[in-house]
Amino acid sequence: GAVVSQHPSRVICKSGTSVKIECRSLDFQATTMFWYRQFPKQSLMLMATSNEGSKATYEQGVEKDKFLINHASLTLSTLTVTSAHPEDSSFYICSALPGSSYNSPLHFGNGTRLTVT
Amino acid sequence: GQQVMQIPQYQHVQEGEDFTTYCNSSTTLSNIQWYKQRPGGHPVFLIQLVKSGEVKKQKRLTFQFGEAKKNSSLHITATQTTDVGTYFCAGGTALIFGKGTTLSVSS
Repeated sequence: GAVVSQHPSRVICKSGTSVKIECRSLDFQATTMFWYRQFPKQSLMLMATSNEGSKATYEQGVEKDKFLINHASLTLSTLTVTSAHPEDSSFYICSALPGSSYNSPLHFGNGTRLTVT
Repeated sequence: GQQVMQIPQYQHVQEGEDFTTYCNSSTTLSNIQWYKQRPGGHPVFLIQLVKSGEVKKQKRLTFQFGEAKKNSSLHITATQTTDVGTYFCAGGTALIFGKGTTLSVSS
């Protein structure tokens, strides 16, 4: 149980275009989902906390107009990288929190490798 | 704000040697979770500790939560090549992640 599906797993796009990444909880409802960015051999950098039905909470230094987050249902959150540039190339991972308590384990998607050319 | 520090950042061991990673928080944690990320993969939940002084074991892995609930450790006995990966701790109400400890094992 507790599977999180992230799509696509890999995407290559041209500079200036936008890319949408989906994060779905397949067998549970997730009021809260998290979006991370991970550079090679580095830790998970929390970008934003996505709450169903409300605006996402962005971490300091993360541009909300560049990284658009939509959490329209209890099973789906999307991250859209707008006007992508080569420096946005990275590994993006989502995680979902079953229920509403932070005492529950996080379940991670498989991640999306974004390459901007 | 709340910070979770993790040391060491990297550790290389010979197969069969023991390994320990430490996690320290600037504030008291309600709980601490440990995750493992294999190279090229995503973090996978290992365990959660909630009680002060709690010790839990999973085969060769021993997890400990400090009495003050500000620190935690993960100890691996007799490492194997399958233990390779990055181990993250995460704690607190916002599940703040440490920077992780990357373990490499040579046979």
